[in-house]
Amino acid sequence: DIQMTQSPSTLSASVGDRVTITCRASQSISSWLAWFQQKPGKAPKLLISKASSLESGVPLRFSGSGSGTEFTLTISSLQPEDFATYYCQQYLIYPLTFGGGTKVEIK
Amino acid sequence: EVQLVESGGGLVQPGGSLRLSCAASGFTFSDHYMDWVRQAPGKGLEWVGRTRNKAKSYTTEYAASVKGRFTISRDDSKNSLYLQMNSLKTEDTAVYYCARVCACTGYKYFDYWGQGTLVTVSS
Repeated sequence: DIQMTQSPSTLSASVGDRVTITCRASQSISSWLAWFQQKPGKAPKLLISKASSLESGVPLRFSGSGSGTEFTLTISSLQPEDFATYYCQQYLIYPLTFGGGTKVEIK
Repeated sequence: EVQLVESGGGLVQPGGSLRLSCAASGFTFSDHYMDWVRQAPGKGLEWVGRTRNKAKSYTTEYAASVKGRFTISRDDSKNSLYLQMNSLKTEDTAVYYCARVCACTGYKYFDYWGQGTLVTVSS
């Protein structure tokens, strides 16, 4: 199975901060990576597919980059509605696997 | 508007069975692969399995943790997805989400999720 490792597991930040979350795959997944945002008690929401393709309706302050085994999700200027947990997920090989999540908290 | 509504969750004893349903609307259900993903209380996301569409003969994939115990099926005439769960274990306790898989070229990702239904396995 492909292991997905996210860091940090928790991140404390302030409104307006630039935030970067890292996701590493245990083997190359090319660009077959998605990022999801999940708020408490809610379903995950797709932010980015194919490592860097922003979904329609997702604010431009979100961006994704990387390929192979190392990927990043960046929020250029953190907004109050961005405090949530973020997950990366590879969809190249079964079983599909998720990172452990990064909780973005208010500093 | 794409909508996915899960139902059928509840409390079940270890060793018991439960069938979850996911009612889809707002898109051509028969075109899409559909998946189940679960989330244990306070934990991360775990993929459960996938059913492909008619064009791919409704073939399925499963996570090792549920293979042989869970069965995914679908009824395109009812725009519905199902998860039959047998021989349930306490570690199957989770919120179960159905997720639509994009009808995109290349490898496919989840583009919409339902709100989930809670399954609790406990004596």
